[in-house]
Parts: sequence; C-alpha cells; structure tokens
Amino acid sequence: RKEVEQDPGPFNVPEGATVAFNCTYSNSASQSFFWYRQDCRKEPKLLMSVYSSGNEDGRFTAQLNRASQYISLLIRDSKLSDSATYLCVVNRDYGGSQGNLIFGKGTKLSVKP
Amino acid sequence: DAGVTQSPTHLIKTRGQQVTLRCSPISGHKSVSWYQQVLGQGPQFIFQYYEKEERGRGNFPDRFSARQFPNYSSELNVNALLLGDSALYLCASSLTRTGFIHEQYFGPGTRLTVT
Repeated sequence: RKEVEQDPGPFNVPEGATVAFNCTYSNSASQSFFWYRQDCRKEPKLLMSVYSSGNEDGRFTAQLNRASQYISLLIRDSKLSDSATYLCVVNRDYGGSQGNLIFGKGTKLSVKP
Repeated sequence: DAGVTQSPTHLIKTRGQQVTLRCSPISGHKSVSWYQQVLGQGPQFIFQYYEKEERGRGNFPDRFSARQFPNYSSELNVNALLLGDSALYLCASSLTRTGFIHEQYFGPGTRLTVT
C-alpha cells in the first residue's frame, strides 16, 4: 500500500463547479500536511499547508482528520486557471530526519469553459 | 528575492555516464532536499541536507550522492546512468530543520534524459 493515496482522477469539470480531492495517508507518525499544485512540465508549487482545525484561502479549503488519516481539498467556483495536477503531501519528522516530503501520485484537474 | 534555482534545465546523457546537477536555495534557507519525478508519478525523496550534513536519504542506490556547500548550495551526482534515471530532478529548499511546519519550495527542476 502506498503511504499517500489520492483519487486517481482525472477530474473534468465545468467552470464554476465545486470539486473535492481526497487523500489518505498510512503512517500515523506523519506530522505536517500540504497540498501542492503542479502545472504540466513545471515544478510543484505549495498551495496550502493543512492544519487540524481546517484552513481556508479564498476559494480553497483544506481539511485534516488525524483520526481517519484523511486530508481533503475543496475548490469552489473553479476557474480555467485551476487546471493542474494536485498533489497531496505529508511530512514526517523522525529524530534526525526532517525534510522528506511524501507525495501522492497526484490528481489531474481539467476545468472546461 | 530569487527563488530556488537549478542548473542545467535540460540534460541528455548516455547510459553509463555520470551527471552533476546543481541547486541554489532561497536566500536564508539552510536546508536542501532532492527529489526525482518520473512521468506520471509524484516526486520521490532522494536526499536532504541541512547545515552541510546529510539528514535524510530515500530509497535510492549508492549511484546517487549529494553534498551541500558552505553557502548552502547543493549538488546531486548520479553515476553509471541507467535509462530508468530519466526524470525531472527537483531541488527544494526550506528555512529550518526544526519546527512543526516544513514548507519546502521547489526549483524549476533539471530534466534528465538518458539514452
């Protein structure tokens, strides 16, 4: 089983739609959680950090459920420019090793006019 | 301020050759991590360096090595290249080793093609 699993996608939605991405992680030692966005043939860019209390940034809302080891990202009123691959990412900080992010495979979103 | 920079942007090598990729972190960032991303997959962790010491290593063979310099820039070396090493190699920098949130910022990557 992969450590971070995401919806396989792709998601094809019309402009203005609400779309939700789901992600589960298997390692309960995971401490930090993120959503990254990656455009075709570009580097991943940090979209949001995800906190236990949930957090919102404009049209984007992220939720974390530690008990279920589940992370979500909701995009409201989707725009053409939201078309990208969304990567669910977790980080664990074992004593001495801090920096390895564990990425899901990503879910591709296409927003159509 | 400049973001993470990487060089070269593209590289074509033949099997058996060696390659060196370079990364400069965001100014003030002391931690650099390297990732490999093959087509259709998420990035996979290779190494992390902090204050010039290796702090983490992913599941990659010994053909992969790296180092960090006093100015916090870093190099990734891959020896005896295989076709399967063809990928986008990403460098990410972060501000600090400790702390609960480890936000990492990626450079544009080096696209390596092995023929």
